[in-house]
Amino acid sequence: QKEVEQNSGPLSVPEGAIASLNCTYSDRVSQSFFWYRQYSGKSPELIMSIYSNGDKEDGRFTAQLNKASQYVSLLIRDSQPSDSATYLCAVSGSGDDKIIFGKGTRLHILP
Amino acid sequence: NAGVMQNPRHLVRRRGQEARLRCSPVKGHSHVYWYRQLPEEGLKFMVYLQKENIIDESGMPKERFSAEFPKEGPSILRIQQVVRGDSAAYFCASSPIQGNTGELFFGEGSRLTVL
Repeated sequence: QKEVEQNSGPLSVPEGAIASLNCTYSDRVSQSFFWYRQYSGKSPELIMSIYSNGDKEDGRFTAQLNKASQYVSLLIRDSQPSDSATYLCAVSGSGDDKIIFGKGTRLHILP
Repeated sequence: NAGVMQNPRHLVRRRGQEARLRCSPVKGHSHVYWYRQLPEEGLKFMVYLQKENIIDESGMPKERFSAEFPKEGPSILRIQQVVRGDSAAYFCASSPIQGNTGELFFGEGSRLTVL
């Protein structure tokens, strides 16, 4: 059974600081990795995707992937109150088209 | 440019009734996924469909649940003889290409309450 693990939080971060969200996955041959943001009562929306080892930056967001450690993370720089949401890590690959989600980490940015 | 449309947004059923949830993907998308989400939980994969084909239904309960994505019309998730444990938000997502390399576009979800 493929699994994606996240700390459920809540993770509280002061406004303007860096929020660091972590995720581990069990299937070593996973190939595609995603971070989705979900506001309470709303649907998930994709904020980052990463496919190869290293860092990928998009504005205030940086995704980091380490396939050897089966670890993917999301950094949010200059955190804003609007970043308060649940962040879902998602993984797919190895010829299996389904995308498996973790339970999510609740992030709370303190004004 | 319409996104993924799900209906109904809210559905109330009594135990033993049937629930039928509909999902119209983004125009041109031929891949549909259904997920279930319980309060304070993540998204649990249920089924992945392409037009007229079920590709992966490994997350679907063996009984009472079925899904289809006909050549014409929306994808349907059907739950027969609902029980209280079926109460959840059911999200549909679509993708223009195989999901493992593409973004999933989610609908707003259908929230099922079983009395």
